[in-house]
Amino acid sequence: GQQLNQSPQSMFIQEGEDVSMNCTSSSIFNTWLWYKQDPGEGPVLLIALYKAGELTSNGRLTAQFGITRKDSFLNISASIPSDVGIYFCAGQGIFGSEKLVFGKGTKLTVNP
Amino acid sequence: DARVTQTPRHKVTEMGQEVTMRCQPILGHNTVFWYRQTMMQGLELLAYFRNRAPLDDSGMPKDRFSAEMPDATLATLKIQPSEPRDSAVYFCASGHQGYNQPQHFGDGTRLSIL
Repeated sequence: GQQLNQSPQSMFIQEGEDVSMNCTSSSIFNTWLWYKQDPGEGPVLLIALYKAGELTSNGRLTAQFGITRKDSFLNISASIPSDVGIYFCAGQGIFGSEKLVFGKGTKLTVNP
Repeated sequence: DARVTQTPRHKVTEMGQEVTMRCQPILGHNTVFWYRQTMMQGLELLAYFRNRAPLDDSGMPKDRFSAEMPDATLATLKIQPSEPRDSAVYFCASGHQGYNQPQHFGDGTRLSIL
């Protein structure tokens, strides 16, 4: 089946540092989404990308939809302790489908 | 903010028992999704509905799982009989129709089958 390769699996950083994570796929997607999941909660949508090449920001978060439509990255600038959590990428819209295909997640730990 | 509501939040039961999980989608959303999350497999789509009609349940074990939408405000996921391998967190998500419409998740039902 379709798979997304998300990396890194985990990151341990100091408060104030910048963070970068990415997803790649062998298939193209029409939409790339980035979610964050806190313990005991459901994923919360951070950024949605709808066009190849699109670069979108949400506060300290910036994400890009790759030109080939097979990859996306998420950057977090000046990390803070509340950035801790698991970040998931998701691809949507292969052949017009609404199904989401998720990456395995990047677990972020921020040391104060 | 409108939210997807799932009940129960936690469920512990013995294998063989029937389990019913419920979801109230965000008002106005006509597409509802059920996902399962495990450490090994991550988030997997089980089934989804549009306007209460099942569109795709190919990710769901048919012999023991069933999903329904009795009305626009309630979606259910049932497991009968339950097995230990069904232990996972089950999420419901809802959204508007269309591949460019984001899905909004509930906080999940954490299911443990003993």
